Amino acid sequence: GENVEQHPSTLSVQEGDSAVIKCTYSDSASNYFPWYKQELGKRPQLIIDIRSNVGEKKDQRIAVTLNKTAKHFSLHITETQPEDSAVYFCAAPWMDSSYKLIFGSGTRLLVRP
Amino acid sequence: KAGVTQTPRYLIKTRGQQVTLSCSPISGHRSVSWYQQTPGQGLQFLFEYFSETQRNKGNFPGRFSGRQFSNSRSEMNVSTLELGDSALYLCASSWGGQNSGNTIYFGEGSWLTVV
Repeated sequence: GENVEQHPSTLSVQEGDSAVIKCTYSDSASNYFPWYKQELGKRPQLIIDIRSNVGEKKDQRIAVTLNKTAKHFSLHITETQPEDSAVYFCAAPWMDSSYKLIFGSGTRLLVRP
Repeated sequence: KAGVTQTPRYLIKTRGQQVTLSCSPISGHRSVSWYQQTPGQGLQFLFEYFSETQRNKGNFPGRFSGRQFSNSRSEMNVSTLELGDSALYLCASSWGGQNSGNTIYFGEGSWLTVV
């Protein structure tokens, strides 16, 4: 089955700096990697995802990179803002069953004004 | 378009009781999955239903069960509640097609406290 490890568990950055969160996965067959943002007391919301046929995807200040050889993918947030403060989760599908996602343990990002 | 709707949002139960949680997926979505979120264990997959059939299952005891109705609405049930079942239970919906990578959308969750 799939195992997803996420680092760091907490990350504190100054407003305007960049933040990087990394995840590794174990199942080489995995081909879909979403990232979710969860604000306190709210549901996880998809912020970006990447499929295995591309190495990078960007959406404004957010980007995700994928290295299939090394089996890791990363979330990059540039020009961080206080509203980026939240818990971020990466995920990968279990045995290519895209509806069974295995989540990383989460990264609590704090953006200091 | 309405999002994923879960009821009830908050509930308190006593050990040994059972609970049923409900989820209405986004209109047109046929896949409904359930996750348990706790501070210690994070987000853990419970099960996924598609066209009224359980398609995937996580590593939870048999006390946790679910079902899906013909209108894609889903319920999950936890019997003989234990203190450790206190958690946020999240429902997620998706189109459900066989192509990998279909996005799942979460509901607001049901906060269950077992006392």
